[in-house]
Amino acid sequence: DTGVSQDPRHKITKRGQNVTFRCDPISEHNRLYWYRQTLGQGPEFLTYFQNEAQLEKSRLLSDRFSAERPKGSFSTLEIQRTEQGDSAMYLCASSLFLDRDYNEQFFGPGTRLTVL
Amino acid sequence: AQTVTQSQPEMSVQEAETVTLSCTYDTSESNYYLFWYKQPPSRQMILVIRQEAYKQQNATENRFSVNFQKAAKSFSLKISDSQLGDTAMYFCASTPGNQFYFGTGTSLTVIP
Repeated sequence: DTGVSQDPRHKITKRGQNVTFRCDPISEHNRLYWYRQTLGQGPEFLTYFQNEAQLEKSRLLSDRFSAERPKGSFSTLEIQRTEQGDSAMYLCASSLFLDRDYNEQFFGPGTRLTVL
Repeated sequence: AQTVTQSQPEMSVQEAETVTLSCTYDTSESNYYLFWYKQPPSRQMILVIRQEAYKQQNATENRFSVNFQKAAKSFSLKISDSQLGDTAMYFCASTPGNQFYFGTGTSLTVIP
């Protein structure tokens, strides 16, 4: 399968614990995005990378959240000291950005986080 | 601020019939892209159709077509000959820059 993959698919944790999610984009894609999706809502942008550089972060991304893409390939999203409000589906997407004209994003299956 | 509004939380359609999903957006950008994504139950989102704002011609992909009204900032999706596999959440999205802005979605159920 050459699509976007995410691991784990489900994570249950206790409040206050740290969690880390991984996203493997489509191999030739230079951009990688993280979104959060809560029940009944559309995905909300968190951050994106172009290669290894983190170019933009949403105000939704509090200090407890950190994302990395160290070699411009896979990315990790870490949430420290989880809170119940962090429970959501975390989606990763990747795209091949060549210029402003075309930026189709391909989504992974998501990681569903439940904070007890 | 960029906003995307989908005013129909739920819709249903008989198999083989036609249904139209509504979307309005707000942007100050002169050039942008609009998308419809489909999210089947427990499956990942996939792109249904996209429209470049500078193109006046409405995009079409097989049974899916859009009605793009730039002045009204309206971007509706028409699904013709609805099939059971079309049952899903449908999200409208705009990308005026580097971010995607999504609406809250329309849950479409195709009834046999």
